[in-house]
Amino acid sequence: GQNIDQPTEMTATEGAIVQINCTYQTSGFNGLFWYQQHAGEAPTFLSYNVLDGLEEKGRFSSFLSRSKGYSYLLLKELQMKDSASYLCAVRDSNYQLIWGAGTKLIIKP
Amino acid sequence: GAVVSQHPSRVICKSGTSVKIECRSLDFQATTMFWYRQFPKQSLMLMATSNEGSKATYEQGVEKDKFLINHASLTLSTLTVTSAHPEDSSFYICSVDRGNTEAFFGQGTRLTVV
Repeated sequence: GQNIDQPTEMTATEGAIVQINCTYQTSGFNGLFWYQQHAGEAPTFLSYNVLDGLEEKGRFSSFLSRSKGYSYLLLKELQMKDSASYLCAVRDSNYQLIWGAGTKLIIKP
Repeated sequence: GAVVSQHPSRVICKSGTSVKIECRSLDFQATTMFWYRQFPKQSLMLMATSNEGSKATYEQGVEKDKFLINHASLTLSTLTVTSAHPEDSSFYICSVDRGNTEAFFGQGTRLTVV
């Protein structure tokens, strides 16, 4: 079966750095997405990786290793508004998005 | 601005009635749209793939007669929850792909069946 694993919950301090990991086993791979979802709202796009390496976009960076079936989302200079759930999703061989359960990130002052 | 618009954002209905949710692609034509539901503290669960001009493709375990999908144009897909029951209360979200590298979501619809 297809599976995406990410931690259920993480806590970090305002101004610090946090890394959210995602491991996947899917039938084929056509890219990995990270989304941010605030409670009661739809997910918003953060990043897309299809090749190995690090993609940097402001305070957020996303890394991919296809050989290891592994990705992480790195958030720097954490702000209170970053408190949200972070969803990892992989597009499989049928180009269907397979979703992780999400990581709830709690930011403390 | 928004790429995908979903209506309504919140609806409360009585048990046994039907509710229609609209999903519009604002910036581009979409031959395919996706409908998800999400229970509290759980991930997105794909319900069905809406195909313009043809029947929707439903995921295993999703009742096609209960969740009617119509994709009559390249910019509009509708999901109708028929004979709604309290267990259908959930957050319903539509999404549209632009190529394979972008996926945009509607604002979501919070359905409460009383």
